[in-house]
Amino acid sequence: KAGVTQTPRYLIKTRGQQVTLSCSPISGHRSVSWYQQTPGQGLQFLFEYFSETQRNKGNFPGRFSGRQFSNSRSEMNVSTLELGDSALYLCASSLEVGYTEAFFGQGTRLTVV
Amino acid sequence: SQKIEQNSEALNIQEGKTATLTCNYTNYSPAYLQWYRQDPGRGPVFLLLIRENEKEKRKERLKVTFDTTLKQSLFHITASQPADSATYLCAYEGGSTLGRLYFGRGTQLTVWP
Repeated sequence: KAGVTQTPRYLIKTRGQQVTLSCSPISGHRSVSWYQQTPGQGLQFLFEYFSETQRNKGNFPGRFSGRQFSNSRSEMNVSTLELGDSALYLCASSLEVGYTEAFFGQGTRLTVV
Repeated sequence: SQKIEQNSEALNIQEGKTATLTCNYTNYSPAYLQWYRQDPGRGPVFLLLIRENEKEKRKERLKVTFDTTLKQSLFHITASQPADSATYLCAYEGGSTLGRLYFGRGTQLTVWP
């Protein structure tokens, strides 16, 4: 079956702009999580959705938001981009919440200039 | 908050030897640990999951142990090969934050011929 699909793979944006990243989970998976990965901080949790509800949120400013649709697809949005937002953004899907492995997408490489 | 540490940033071993990677966590709660492999520019790939009531888990050349007294997990790759070269990540989930994975910074393993 198809894996987790993230689009786009690469993005270059200017400071102050906003960006929307998309994630299509594995068919049947209802939990979607987002992570930011940078060389300095490693993998940092952004938020997690299950059945269109945000269940967990990490320690990121309100400029970072997300949502999940009824078909489990998810989007995350970053407004007023800063240089420090440059990172690999990873989406992971799981069959259920907790105590199960996560399947990651290839990620979206965001560069803010 | 939860803290998880992988105490080696890099590990270099010769082909055929056993690689042993360490993961320590700071807080105890009913939990399990997961291990992932990440290649450059790609998302993490799930390898193994071990629950708190399991001492050891094996999958082909991989073995994971979980010591709740030491709050530590060891990840072993036996008969290592150059193709095993990658970054290995330990992740923790548990307590009141199901659905949220706390990742260590990872250990970059290099297996040389």
